[in-house]
Amino acid sequence: AQSVTQLDSQVPVFEEAPVELRCNYSSSVSVYLFWYVQYPNQGLQLLLKYLSGSTLVKGINGFEAEFNKSQTSFHLRKPSVHISDTAEYFCAVSGGATNKLIFGTGTLLAVQP
Amino acid sequence: KAGVTQTPRYLIKTRGQQVTLSCSPISGHRSVSWYQQTPGQGLQFLFEYFSETQRNKGNFPGRFSGRQFSNSRSEMNVSTLELGDSALYLCASSLTGTDTQYFGPGTRLTVL
Repeated sequence: AQSVTQLDSQVPVFEEAPVELRCNYSSSVSVYLFWYVQYPNQGLQLLLKYLSGSTLVKGINGFEAEFNKSQTSFHLRKPSVHISDTAEYFCAVSGGATNKLIFGTGTLLAVQP
Repeated sequence: KAGVTQTPRYLIKTRGQQVTLSCSPISGHRSVSWYQQTPGQGLQFLFEYFSETQRNKGNFPGRFSGRQFSNSRSEMNVSTLELGDSALYLCASSLTGTDTQYFGPGTRLTVL
């Protein structure tokens, strides 16, 4: 069985400061890892994904994430956040024979001026 | 290329009624998955359809069903609605069913 843990339910940060949103996963098979962002009253937008290859993955809006197999982590980072980055961020895993996404509980990134 | 579209965007129903939600995938995508999002349970997988066949199913009661048409458009149906069915229902499409899923804006269902 697969699972995803997002330890931080909310992360407050000041504008232009760096941020890291944590994600840990558990799986008995090789996984694909994703970060999605959800703005209020909207669906999920793909930020970035790790399928294979380089463990440092760059996504949209200046976000990046690093896949760490030994620590089973896939933390999301941005060196300088903007007010417009305020949203809910979801880490997800899929793998094995199914394309089903297993989501974490989400982290609300609250950027303050 | 147009994204995933879902209709309607908002829906209000009463307990005991049934509802049908629609999803049109990105052109060329053959896999459609449905997810339920609630504050209490988060994002949960409902089912996946590929080439008109249900390929995977989540842990939901039989009141939740779906289908996919030959043009890859999908519908999901919920019968005998309960208050707990109030949620944002998200549809996602992917090219082959084993690659990245792209989400629609969702249908907000409120059951009174």
